[in-house]
Amino acid sequence: EDQVTQSPEALRLQEGESSSLNCSYTVSGLRGLFWYRQDPGKGPEFLFTLYSAGEEKEKERLKATLTKKESFLHITAPKPEDSATYLCAVDGAGSYQLTFGKGTKLSVIP
Amino acid sequence: ETGVTQTPRHLVMGMTNKKSLKCEQHLGHNAMYWYKQSAKKPLELMFVYNFKEQTENNSVPSRFSPECPNSSHLFLHLHTLQPEDSALYLCASSPSGLAGYTGELFFGEGSRLTVL
Repeated sequence: EDQVTQSPEALRLQEGESSSLNCSYTVSGLRGLFWYRQDPGKGPEFLFTLYSAGEEKEKERLKATLTKKESFLHITAPKPEDSATYLCAVDGAGSYQLTFGKGTKLSVIP
Repeated sequence: ETGVTQTPRHLVMGMTNKKSLKCEQHLGHNAMYWYKQSAKKPLELMFVYNFKEQTENNSVPSRFSPECPNSSHLFLHLHTLQPEDSALYLCASSPSGLAGYTGELFFGEGSRLTVL
């Protein structure tokens, strides 16, 4: 059974204070790891797909990295508009569906 | 128009009511999904449709009944719900769910359901 654990559960940063969110996973045959952003009262918005260890992807202040056991979402010099819940999900060869983590709620204080 | 549109955005219903949630996607995708999102829990997959055919039913109670008349539209019919069914119901689509690979999901904004 695929499993995804995200940490921390909540993170509070000052504007400009860089940090990282963690997504640890166990999966039989990773076909893809996905990051989503979810604003309150809205559906998740797709950010990145990572397919293999060592892969990195960037978008504005966000950078996602992948190892064989975990993925990090690095946030550089965050702004208040980066406040959201960030979800991680994996697609494993042994499962017919994505397995989601519970998310990390990020708050960036001006 | 936005990629995936859900209506209504908010719904309050009694336990004996019958209501429906609607989802429409304008992305040309072939797979559509219903997810349930409850506080402090991961997203839970409910149903999957590929090319209008239901391919997965994730042990969902029969008081939830999906319908997919074509690749662009998806409904979730609700009847005799319980208060614990109160949640955010999310519709999503992906280019193809063939061979069990989901790929990137594109979500609607959700329907917030409250069961009294």
